[in-house]
This record gives sequence, structure tokens and C-alpha cells, in this order.
Amino acid sequence: SQQGEEDPQALSIQEGENATMNCSYKTSINNLQWYRQNSGRGLVHLILIRSNEREKHSGRLRVTLDTSKKSSSLLITASRAADTASYFCVWKGAQKLVFGQGTRLTINP
Amino acid sequence: GAVVSQHPSWVICKSGTSVKIECRSLDFQATTMFWYRQFPKQSLMLMATSNEGSKATYEQGVEKDKFLINHASLTLSTLTVTSAHPEDSSFYICSARGQGPDTQYFGPGTRLTVL
Repeated sequence: SQQGEEDPQALSIQEGENATMNCSYKTSINNLQWYRQNSGRGLVHLILIRSNEREKHSGRLRVTLDTSKKSSSLLITASRAADTASYFCVWKGAQKLVFGQGTRLTINP
Repeated sequence: GAVVSQHPSWVICKSGTSVKIECRSLDFQATTMFWYRQFPKQSLMLMATSNEGSKATYEQGVEKDKFLINHASLTLSTLTVTSAHPEDSSFYICSARGQGPDTQYFGPGTRLTVL
């Protein structure tokens, strides 16, 4: 399977804390993307990081990419209850997008 | 931004019946659309790639005779689940490829429940 791994599979933290999710992929990439999915809903694109970038910021999101280790991380700072969702890393393999297994994030008020 | 819609958003059907799900790109033309299936608490798994005017390419393990895909226009792809069974109950998500090679826009998904 081309699917990579995300860890943790589930993460529960208190509102205001930071949440970090990690992703391991298996192929060479041009870029890697992170998506959010609220329960039973569609996907929302969060951020894209290119292979020549090591870190990228967008609001409360910080994404890192280490192509030598084939890994990426997503950090959400100052979490809010509305951040409760599943988060997926996505990369292109063999002309099609491959989804990581996802991290289910729960923010407790 | 580009919008992809799906219809219906949810459907309940009896075992043995067929269900059609539509995926539309609302403000752009999509020569390529993708169909994914997602079981509860799992990731998205690609079922097939749909190219306008040609036969869909199915992923290994996906029955092409059971999941019929038609991409008759640049803005519409349909997925028909034939002779649906309870194990076909899932969340089906389509996406459409945009102008850029890495641009893909996702629909809101269709929840299928087969009784």
C-alpha cells in the first residue's frame, strides 16, 4: 500500500494547548498537503508545502517537511474547540493523491 | 474558488437497489474526476479515476461492474452503486482536478446507507 502513516491516530487536548500531528510518506514528492475533515463532512484544504520548503506558516498552522526522512508535521497553536476534526496529510504518488491514515483531533473545552 | 458539488448529500436505500451519485464542478471544467470511499474512522481510499469521454480507471479490488462511473461532460461525473448491499454503506467523496497538476477540489461527500 502507498498509504503512509500518521501519528498519533487520535489526540485529545485542552483548548488553548498546541496540537502536533506527524505524517510519514513513502515516495518522492513535489509537494505535500494537509486537509481537515469535520465529522461526516467533506475535506477542507489547509496548506501546501513544496519539496524545496522546510517550513510554512498559515495563521495558527505551522507545517514542516523533511524530505530526507519523508516526514511532515502539522502544528496547530492555541487550539480551539472548532479545531476538532480529522487531519490528513496528502501527497501525489503515481499520478494520484495518496491520503495518510489521519489523526482524529479532539479539543476539550 | 473552485467548487465541487455532490448530490445527494445522503441516501438510504434497500439492499439490491441501485443508487446514483452525481459530482459536478460548478465553475470550472474538469477533464479528470476522482471517486473515493471512506469507511467510519478511516482514511479516504481511491476507487477510480474518471476521464471525460473515456472509460474510468479502477483501483485494484474495486469492482467496475458494481461501481459504474460515467463522465459524460466536463462538469459532471456519476457513480452508480449497482445492487447495493449493506457492506457498500460508506461515505463517497468525489474530487475534480483543476488547472494545476496538483490542484484537486473535493466535493462535500455523499453518505450512503444500505438497509
